[in-house]
Amino acid sequence: AQSVSQHNHHVILSEAASLELGCNYSYGGTVNLFWYVQYPGQHLQLLLKYFSGDPLVKGIKGFEAEFIKSKFSFNLRKPSVQWSDTAEYFCAVISDTGRRALTFGSGTRLQVQP
Amino acid sequence: DTAVSQTPKYLVTQMGNDKSIKCEQNLGHDTMYWYKQDSKKFLKIMFSYNNKELIINETVPNRFSPKSPDKAHLNLHINSLELGDSAVYFCASSQPTGRQETQYFGPGTRLLVL
Repeated sequence: AQSVSQHNHHVILSEAASLELGCNYSYGGTVNLFWYVQYPGQHLQLLLKYFSGDPLVKGIKGFEAEFIKSKFSFNLRKPSVQWSDTAEYFCAVISDTGRRALTFGSGTRLQVQP
Repeated sequence: DTAVSQTPKYLVTQMGNDKSIKCEQNLGHDTMYWYKQDSKKFLKIMFSYNNKELIINETVPNRFSPKSPDKAHLNLHINSLELGDSAVYFCASSQPTGRQETQYFGPGTRLLVL
């Protein structure tokens, strides 16, 4: 069964700091990878996704993520965070075979201090 | 013109009651899902329907019964509510397109069982 690990549970940064959130998955086959963001009290919004091709994908709001197949990783990055980036970030994976449901990581709470 | 909508947004009820949550999507997608987010923010698939047919049924108590009257709607009925059912329930939809599909989430229904 596939699983997703997010090692950073709670990250506190000052505005303008750089961000990198880790995501590792366990699945030997081909996967689709996603990062979702959940702002306080709101629903999940898609930040970015990787299906195939260029392993460096760019998403909304200046976020990007890099798929490293050899490391089973899909880390999220942003060069300069803003206070409005305060939210919960979820990495998710779906395999190309089998059931079509997202497996989520446990989430990383990002707190950006002004 | 919300893509995936859920009602109600908040639901507070007593143990033992029966309640329903409704979900509608206007994206023309064939597949719909219910996810549960627990108090630790962990998200897990509960059910998935494809064109009104149940395709994923996780290890969920049979007090939970999904119903899909048509492919744009997926409702969740919960009998004999228990304290542990308190959570945020998210509906999502996607359009299967081979390997590449993205799930879009509704705003969530926050259920509190007293």
